Amino acid sequence: QKEVEQNSGPLSVPEGAIASLNCTYSDRGSQSFFWYRQYSGKSPELIMSIYSNGDKEDGRFTAQLNKASQYVSLLIRDSQPSDSATYLCAVGGMDSSYKLIFGSGTRLLVRP
Amino acid sequence: GAVVSQHPSRVICKSGTSVKIECRSLDFQATTMFWYRQFPKKSLMLMATSNEGSKATYEQGVEKDKFLINHASLTLSTLTVTSAHPEDSSFYICSARPVDTSGETQYFGPGTRLLVL
Repeated sequence: QKEVEQNSGPLSVPEGAIASLNCTYSDRGSQSFFWYRQYSGKSPELIMSIYSNGDKEDGRFTAQLNKASQYVSLLIRDSQPSDSATYLCAVGGMDSSYKLIFGSGTRLLVRP
Repeated sequence: GAVVSQHPSRVICKSGTSVKIECRSLDFQATTMFWYRQFPKKSLMLMATSNEGSKATYEQGVEKDKFLINHASLTLSTLTVTSAHPEDSSFYICSARPVDTSGETQYFGPGTRLLVL
């Protein structure tokens, strides 16, 4: 059973702080990794993708991947109340189906 | 770019009736679309993978005769919930993978809330 694990939270951080969201996955053959943001009652929105070990930065967001440890994280710098949402980690590339396996999400709360 | 629409956004139906949900990629073509359902405060559960011009691939435990999927063109996939029951009430979300992408990037539609009375 391929699994993607996330702490459900809520993770509470003050406005302006760095929020760190973590994700582990079970399938060593995974090749692609995604972070989605989902506001309550809405559908997921793609934030970032990462395919290689190391860091990838996009604005206030940094994704970090460590395939040896089967670990991927998302850092949000200068957190804003509007960042409050559930963040879903998704893993793919295990086969040719293009399917993604989603974690259960971490709820982030940014306090003004 | 990469906009996916779903219709209807909300539907209420009586038990025993069928409901069709449309998923369209508006500004790109998608050979592969995915259908998910999500219960409150739970994660996305993949129901099936829809490939243009071929039969859908259903995940284990998803009844293919109950959840009919048709992917008639590169921009449209439909999910029909047949003989709906109250336990089918859920948030149904589709996603589309652009044809010109080499990986698993998917863009999600806004979702359809189904309530079966």
